[in-house]
Amino acid sequence: EAQVTQNPRYLITVTGKKLTVTCSQNMNHEYMSWYRQDPGLGLRQIYYSMNVEVTDKGDVPEGYKVSRKEKRNFPLILESPSPNQTSLYFCASSFSGVDGYTFGSGTRLTVV
Amino acid sequence: QKEVEQNSGPLSVPEGAIASLNCTYSDRVSQSFFWYRQYSGKSPELIMSIYSNGDKEDGRFTAQLNKASQYVSLLIRDSQPSDSATYLCAFRANNNDMRFGAGTRLTVKP
Repeated sequence: EAQVTQNPRYLITVTGKKLTVTCSQNMNHEYMSWYRQDPGLGLRQIYYSMNVEVTDKGDVPEGYKVSRKEKRNFPLILESPSPNQTSLYFCASSFSGVDGYTFGSGTRLTVV
Repeated sequence: QKEVEQNSGPLSVPEGAIASLNCTYSDRVSQSFFWYRQYSGKSPELIMSIYSNGDKEDGRFTAQLNKASQYVSLLIRDSQPSDSATYLCAFRANNNDMRFGAGTRLTVKP
């Protein structure tokens, strides 16, 4: 089944403890992206990648890192999470720069 | 000015009616426009893509694009309670980045 897989689905962590949210797609998509969604603020892009080893900042990159070493994987790293990073996170991918994104199921992160 | 503007709603229509959702965007060079449906607590689901001026129909859904007016709309005919969701308008910007509106919440009342 063609899909974008994120893990974990739910995560509660403490301030300052490094964490990684994994994202993998099996559709041979070139483009991948991370968004966060907060009530009243909609979907805001964190980082996106147009191909292996090519990444760029979105609207809210502060406090996040990404890497694209393989085409299928695009992990999101929070080196030192803070409570303001509590949010619902979505990974998404698309075949090209003109197609719509396919979204993963989301990761609900709580930082205490 | 926001890049993508949508009426946040909520929009309420009776079952069987036509729901009309509207969106304006600021990027004059964008070529790709999308409508997503998002149920509460779920991920956005792509329901329509449109690339050319005019109408595109898919079942009960019709997307309309007017690039000169920088306007895109979504009509849902014969609305059903299962259509109750938040609808997100989006476009691919000139750097191929995807921009989303804040969404319009639709409620279809039985």
